[in-house]
Amino acid sequence: EPEVTQTPSHQVTQMGQEVILRCVPISNHLYFYWYRQILGQKVEFLVSFYNNEISEKSEIFDDQFSVERPDGSNFTLKIRSTKLEDSAMYFCASSEGQGANYGYTFGSGTRLTVV
Amino acid sequence: AQTVTQSQPEMSVQEAETVTLSCTYDTSESDYYLFWYKQPPSRQMILVIRQEAYKQQNATENRFSVNFQKAAKSFSLKISDSQLGDAAMYFCAYRNSGYALNFGKGTSLLVTP
Repeated sequence: EPEVTQTPSHQVTQMGQEVILRCVPISNHLYFYWYRQILGQKVEFLVSFYNNEISEKSEIFDDQFSVERPDGSNFTLKIRSTKLEDSAMYFCASSEGQGANYGYTFGSGTRLTVV
Repeated sequence: AQTVTQSQPEMSVQEAETVTLSCTYDTSESDYYLFWYKQPPSRQMILVIRQEAYKQQNATENRFSVNFQKAAKSFSLKISDSQLGDAAMYFCAYRNSGYALNFGKGTSLLVTP
């Protein structure tokens, strides 16, 4: 069964450093998403991406965050200057279409620890 | 803004028994989708079941079924014949015509032998 792959599984970074989280969505999917889950809290939407541009973003997704699809397979989330409160599990997801009937496939997540 | 509420932080069920996880949501939309996701200790989010709001018939997937009450804005998940592998966090989620899934805070399900 096709999978969404995220690397690394765990990333430790110092406060103020830039970090890039990587995702390989399912190959025939066209819509890509990032979510985060702070420990013990609910999963929160960050951003959706389609046709090489952001289609929707939440208020969490401020100027410190950016997304990119640098080639035909990868989808990245960059945090420019990490803060302690950025420590969370970050999930990438993809879907074949935009409608909710398509559903999402989530990756296994990257645990980001900012120290 | 749409909100999703899961009022049970933790639930426990014995193996082979049935358990129901509750979820309510708030929306002014008429067309939307509701989901239950499972998050085992591996942390991956796995889709359990999906319900379209315009469908009156409750969705079922093997041992998993929902009780969708649109007027009451309630969307509970029933797990029949519970198995040890069902132990996980369960998240209820809502989506309308936009891109974002709105999640509840989750219910931790413990399955005892």
